[in-house]
Amino acid sequence: DQQVKQNSPSLSVQEGRISILNCDYTNSMFDYFLWYKKYPAEGPTFLISISSIKDKNEDGRFTVFLNKSAKHLSLHIVPSQPGDSAVYFCAASEGNFNKFYFGSGTKLNVKP
Amino acid sequence: NAGVTQTPKFRILKIGQSMTLQCTQDMNHNYMYWYRQDPGMGLKLIYYSVGAGITDKGEVPNGYNVSRSTTEDFPLRLELAAPSQTSVYFCASSYSIGGGTGELFFGEGSRLTVL
Repeated sequence: DQQVKQNSPSLSVQEGRISILNCDYTNSMFDYFLWYKKYPAEGPTFLISISSIKDKNEDGRFTVFLNKSAKHLSLHIVPSQPGDSAVYFCAASEGNFNKFYFGSGTKLNVKP
Repeated sequence: NAGVTQTPKFRILKIGQSMTLQCTQDMNHNYMYWYRQDPGMGLKLIYYSVGAGITDKGEVPNGYNVSRSTTEDFPLRLELAAPSQTSVYFCASSYSIGGGTGELFFGEGSRLTVL
């Protein structure tokens, strides 16, 4: 049973617009969340993280929002660029960094 | 910096064959992991290690073995390959608890096909 879910397999956005990628989780013990970006034939690379003591974390064009009561997080990319086209995974862990649970990914296509 | 290096990148196995996926990292990370990614699915943890000589099972350990004799190396062994093990395998490493952001550094992946 998947503890981290990304229900949108794909998303298409026009260059310059906002991209919003969503992630839901079921385990209320998760307290640390990360987003990874993956290009074809490469390993995932870390993008941004958020601890459960925060509800927002920003890094340049990327912002992650956490809604603990809804067990939901989202990644906002503003403005979206064609180079952002990739698969985005969210991941969660509970209290330690030993085990990260990953969602199935959302493929973002940013059209020029 | 090489980061996390995996070999081979591609391999085709026959049912019942054995093989080892190699993984080495040069970042002096204590934690190392093996994940597999099946089509349309997220990454699932196979095994992980918190340091040399210490390994533990993840979500999907059946059919695999690991060892961690040095900080740098974390090989994954498939003893009797089965079609269900056809997947892309990712090795990763991270800082120990309390250091860094807990982010995982991934290798480029090894695509394994079992026929």
